Amino acid sequence: GAVVSQHPSRVICKSGTSVKIECRSLDFQATTMFWYRQFPKQSLMLMATSNEGSKATYEQGVEKDKFLINHASLTLSTLTVTSAHPEDSSFYICSALDRLTSTDTQYFGPGTRLTVL
Amino acid sequence: GESVGLHLPTLSVQEGDNSIINCAYSNSASDYFIWYKQESGKGPQFIIDIRSNMDKRQGQRVTVLLNKTVKHLSLQIAATQPGDSAVYFCAEADGQNFVFGPGTRLSVLP
Repeated sequence: GAVVSQHPSRVICKSGTSVKIECRSLDFQATTMFWYRQFPKQSLMLMATSNEGSKATYEQGVEKDKFLINHASLTLSTLTVTSAHPEDSSFYICSALDRLTSTDTQYFGPGTRLTVL
Repeated sequence: GESVGLHLPTLSVQEGDNSIINCAYSNSASDYFIWYKQESGKGPQFIIDIRSNMDKRQGQRVTVLLNKTVKHLSLQIAATQPGDSAVYFCAEADGQNFVFGPGTRLSVLP
């Protein structure tokens, strides 16, 4: 099956710093990638939809200036949490759509655990 | 700090028994449904999917049933094994819009 990687898997940072998370589709081209946030024992919360070569579409309540998304190529999307604060601590997961197959299935990355001190 | 999360529904099943995990969806326009498995600290893994023109689809040890009349989706796992312990999410999709269910924790008892 399709493989999606995320880097880093874990990051601890000080309050006020910015953190960049990378999401890569390793063996397919992903015109669309999604970024999710997951709080403990809760389902995935969609933050934004990232389309290659265009601006990301953010869900209501998600600050686009705080969560910067760049999808510069068909295999890479990045999420930058700017001026991170403890309340941004969470598990961030990306997924990618493999539109070359017939199923339009989302394939998920392994997630990034962000802890802001 | 972290938010206080909702308590996930939990299904406890004896090893070797069959498991049935249920999911209700809300959008009658959804035409694609997926089940994901998420182990602790990892991203969701695709298990099986089904399109709205079908009511049943089988995979290896898993079966997905779709009842569009009552907007209900279920995942059946045959001969449940300890490695099946995880949180299972259903997702419904209408075009590019995916909506995830709240998840069910499956606990396999020895």
